Amino acid sequence: GNSVTQMEGPVTLSEEAFLTINCTYTATGYPSLFWYVQYPGEGLQLLLKATKADDKGSNKGFEATYRKETTSFHLEKGSVQVSDSAVYFCALINLTGGFKTIFGAGTRLFVKA
Amino acid sequence: DVKVTQSSRYLVKRTGEKVFLECVQDMDHENMFWYRQDPGLGLRLIYFSYDVKMKEKGDIPEGYSVSREKKERFSLILESASTNQTSMYLCASGLTGRRTGELFFGEGSRLTVL
Repeated sequence: GNSVTQMEGPVTLSEEAFLTINCTYTATGYPSLFWYVQYPGEGLQLLLKATKADDKGSNKGFEATYRKETTSFHLEKGSVQVSDSAVYFCALINLTGGFKTIFGAGTRLFVKA
Repeated sequence: DVKVTQSSRYLVKRTGEKVFLECVQDMDHENMFWYRQDPGLGLRLIYFSYDVKMKEKGDIPEGYSVSREKKERFSLILESASTNQTSMYLCASGLTGRRTGELFFGEGSRLTVL
């Protein structure tokens, strides 16, 4: 079946540090891949997406590249800010399986000033 | 902006009570979803609906039911609440076509069952 595995947190970084949050997936066919972010006390918001191999999604300084050969979609940011502190979820949808979006367990990021 | 509104942010109920969680979206989306969020488990899909009066079971439907009588409203029902249903419940609506999978979430309803 379809599944998403992401690195366990929490991840604690200092402001301006480089961020990587690893995400790998299992799916048949060609899923679309997403990163969602959940700020404290809020629902999830779509951060970025990629729909085919080698696509790069980007938004707010974050980016992730769809790597089919390694079944990965790692989230990166060159210089994090305190305001980036949140929980980040990797997700996929495989349209051969219908409308279900499958989420990873989430990775909490703390950024210290 | 798309708005997904969940009726209650916090609820406290007793074991055996019937619980209704309401969700309304204002963007005419066909698809609506109910997830529960638990630490270390991420989001797990309870039920979803791709049209009025249509519903599909997600990964953990046991103990829950849903209702979608109007396109903009999707309700989650716990017929007889149990303590293991204490959780954060997230409603989402979603696009179709080339933007399938892009979900818009409400702020969540934190349910405590005593």
